[in-house]
Amino acid sequence: EPEVTQTPSHQVTQMGQEVILRCVPISNHLYFYWYRQILGQKVEFLVSFYNNEISEKSEIFDDQFSVERPDGSNFTLKIRSTKLEDSAMYFCASSDWGVRQPQHFGDGTRLSIL
Amino acid sequence: AQSVAQPEDQVNVAEGNPLTVKCTYSVSGNPYLFWYVQYPNRGLQFLLKYITGDNLVKGSYGFEAEFNKSQTSFHLKKPSALVSDSALYFCAVRDLYNFNKFYFGSGTKLNVKP
Repeated sequence: EPEVTQTPSHQVTQMGQEVILRCVPISNHLYFYWYRQILGQKVEFLVSFYNNEISEKSEIFDDQFSVERPDGSNFTLKIRSTKLEDSAMYFCASSDWGVRQPQHFGDGTRLSIL
Repeated sequence: AQSVAQPEDQVNVAEGNPLTVKCTYSVSGNPYLFWYVQYPNRGLQFLLKYITGDNLVKGSYGFEAEFNKSQTSFHLKKPSALVSDSALYFCAVRDLYNFNKFYFGSGTKLNVKP
């Protein structure tokens, strides 16, 4: 069964540095998402992306964050000037067209800011 | 605004006994509801969904969920729990006006003891 893959599985970065989290969504999917899960807490929506542009974003997704689909397969989340509170699991998801379609999640990238 | 609530942080059940993980929703129209499971160090896996139709929805791994409009609930159930069902379970609702946005509950940790 096709999977969403995320790299790296764990990223350790110094505070203030920039990080790029990478995702390869399922190939025929049209919608792409990023979520964040701070340890032991709920899954929080960050952003959705369709047709090469952001279709929805949460209040968490401020100017520090950006997303890009640089080619036909990758979907990236960039976090500029990282802060300690950015430490979390970041999940990428993708879904096919239609309201009945569930999201398919990757296994996440654990981001640790030191 | 749409939201879901999971009133129990943790549910403990003995192997072989029936299990219920509770979810209530708050949606202004007809809801699109989903259940996901998360195993340690993994992403969320889709279990089942309610879009319309039968109130009893069957999903993966023997799980089912009952949609109850009068009680605004969508509880996850399984007739006979397995130790391997121990995981974190999330209820989610799709935003009716922004289909690319999902809201997740806070998660319920299911512990199935042998």
